[in-house]
Amino acid sequence: EAGVAQSPRYKIIEKRQSVAFWCNPISGHATLYWYQQILGQGPKLLIQFQNNGVVDDSQLPKDRFSAERLKGVDSTLKIQPAKLEDSAVYLCATRGGNTIYFGEGSWLTVV
Amino acid sequence: AQTVTQSQPEMSVQEAETVTLSCTYDTSESDYYLFWYKQPPSRQMILVIRQEAYKQQNATENRFSVNFQKAAKSFSLKISDSQLGDAAMYFCAYLGYGGSQGNLIFGKGTKLSVKP
Repeated sequence: EAGVAQSPRYKIIEKRQSVAFWCNPISGHATLYWYQQILGQGPKLLIQFQNNGVVDDSQLPKDRFSAERLKGVDSTLKIQPAKLEDSAVYLCATRGGNTIYFGEGSWLTVV
Repeated sequence: AQTVTQSQPEMSVQEAETVTLSCTYDTSESDYYLFWYKQPPSRQMILVIRQEAYKQQNATENRFSVNFQKAAKSFSLKISDSQLGDAAMYFCAYLGYGGSQGNLIFGKGTKLSVKP
């Protein structure tokens, strides 16, 4: 069974530029999450989807972050404009039964 | 709101010996799941072990086992016969039982070093 796929793995951008991350979940997993993990901290939930609907986006900085899952499968997370404090690993995860599986993450460095 | 606390920022163990990582949590729910994830420098979260709160028996996975104390809201991870490849960040995480609506709540992590 293929795992959660994320791309790109690494991205370096200047502040005020934009960036987009893509996630392809494990087949059949309806629940998809985006987490932000700043160095030295545990992951923090940004947004949770159930199929193509948003379940929880209370911690998403909506002035600069957006996410969508139009067909209930792939998802994209966009940051525009990026700030220095957005430097982090962005983890996509999907839920199968009562276990959550993670992708390899997308490392973002904002300079 | 649920919280997860890992009080040991760093731990060290000698190769082949045993180490225990601590985790406590706070919740008003009676049914939930607890996890330990391993995160190597590549930053991918790898599931180590899972415990259902309704099960009294402690989960085990090869060299990894947990001590789940529901009343005390404690969930520690024991690694036996430690190997160099066990060196990583370890995160304790809580998942509520609310069907598909729940999401993982993480502790701050414990960095485990393994000495040869």
